Amino acid sequence: AQRVTQPEKLLSVFKGAPVELKCNYSYSGSPELFWYVQYSRQRLQLLLRHISRESIKGFTADLNKGETSFHLKKPFAQEEDSAMYYCALSTGTASKLTFGTGTRLQVTL
Amino acid sequence: GAGVSQSPSNKVTEKGKDVELRCDPISGHTALYWYRQRLGQGLEFLIYFQGNSAPDKSGLPSDRFSAERTGESVSTLTIQRTQQEDSAVYLCASSRTGTRSYNEQFFGPGTRLTVL
Repeated sequence: AQRVTQPEKLLSVFKGAPVELKCNYSYSGSPELFWYVQYSRQRLQLLLRHISRESIKGFTADLNKGETSFHLKKPFAQEEDSAMYYCALSTGTASKLTFGTGTRLQVTL
Repeated sequence: GAGVSQSPSNKVTEKGKDVELRCDPISGHTALYWYRQRLGQGLEFLIYFQGNSAPDKSGLPSDRFSAERTGESVSTLTIQRTQQEDSAVYLCASSRTGTRSYNEQFFGPGTRLTVL
């Protein structure tokens, strides 16, 4: 069965510092990986997906199949990045998502 | 247009009672998902509907849990004889189709269920 691990419950960084939210997965096939974000008092929403190879709000994530990782990175954290971040994996055609336990990012001045 | 809506937003019930949670997906979305998030844990998949296909119920934790969907619209998740461990936020999501694994899922605001 597939699994997603986010080892940090809380990551606190200063504004302007680089951010890396870690995500590791276990799945024997070819997964689709996503990062979802939940800002305070808002609903969970997609931030980015690996297939798009895009940068959203300055965030990027590269799928490393050798290390089975999909870490989320941003070179300079902003206060508005403070939120809960969930890494998620989808397999096959059913698209149901397997989520990690989430990392709370706190950006302070 | 409107996003995914869920009702009620909060539900407090007594152990042993049945509850029904409702989800209205985005119009035109053929795929609908239910997830559960218990305190301090990630979201757990419960059930998935795709068009007229048989639902994927592989995530339902027990036979006290069931869900229905009318065509490609409203879905209800029913929990019978609720237990305290059922306390969680229940999230519904919909996507344009469930047959492409990279499709974005749009989430509702959730229903917070508390079983006393």
